[in-house]
Amino acid sequence: DAGVTQSPTHLIKTRGQQVTLRCSPKSGHDTVSWYQQALGQGPQFIFQYYEEEERQRGNFPDRFSGHQFPNYSSELNVNALLLGDSALYLCASSLGLWDRGPPGEQYFGPGTRLTVT
Amino acid sequence: DQQVKQNSPSLSVQEGRISILNCDYTNSMFDYFLWYKKYPAEGPTFLISISSIKDKNEDGRFTVFLNKSAKHLSLHIVPSQPGDSAVYFCAASLYNTDKLIFGTGTRLQVFP
Repeated sequence: DAGVTQSPTHLIKTRGQQVTLRCSPKSGHDTVSWYQQALGQGPQFIFQYYEEEERQRGNFPDRFSGHQFPNYSSELNVNALLLGDSALYLCASSLGLWDRGPPGEQYFGPGTRLTVT
Repeated sequence: DQQVKQNSPSLSVQEGRISILNCDYTNSMFDYFLWYKKYPAEGPTFLISISSIKDKNEDGRFTVFLNKSAKHLSLHIVPSQPGDSAVYFCAASLYNTDKLIFGTGTRLQVFP
């Protein structure tokens, strides 16, 4: 049973460029959340996708956008990259939304390390 | 505004002894609290959670205690094992949301 997978593992981009990160959820999961973890910090919630729609969003600018596909995989897009966007980007998958039960067992992928120079 | 705080960046404990990791929060509306463990080059792994209506939840060697009046929770690991060496994150969520709010983490080292 494959867990959450993310690609690529590492990525180096230049300021002003655009980047797309990809995530495949754990088998059987239909909900994907994205988090940004800066160095020395805990993960920060970016947004969540369920049924191909953005359901919840954290305090991130519109430069951060996403998409969920019919097979439940997801992409995170960041436009006009800033140096401060350098971080580990984590994808987490779960089954259903909060209102179907308590949160918690979100399964995280290993992350994509993005470096903006 | 850091709503979930882990004030100890690191903790060192001898194998077999108890590890106690602490977490404080400021938002009294948090409904669920969770602990995650993270090894290098891996994503966080869910450990244990507790509802705000409880004050204790136990799962094997791991017990989480919640003190709502003090807005404080702790994770006890007994006995500690070298394999427990990792970064531990405390997280919280509000009612009717999957959004997790994480602390900054505590690095636990268990030595022989």
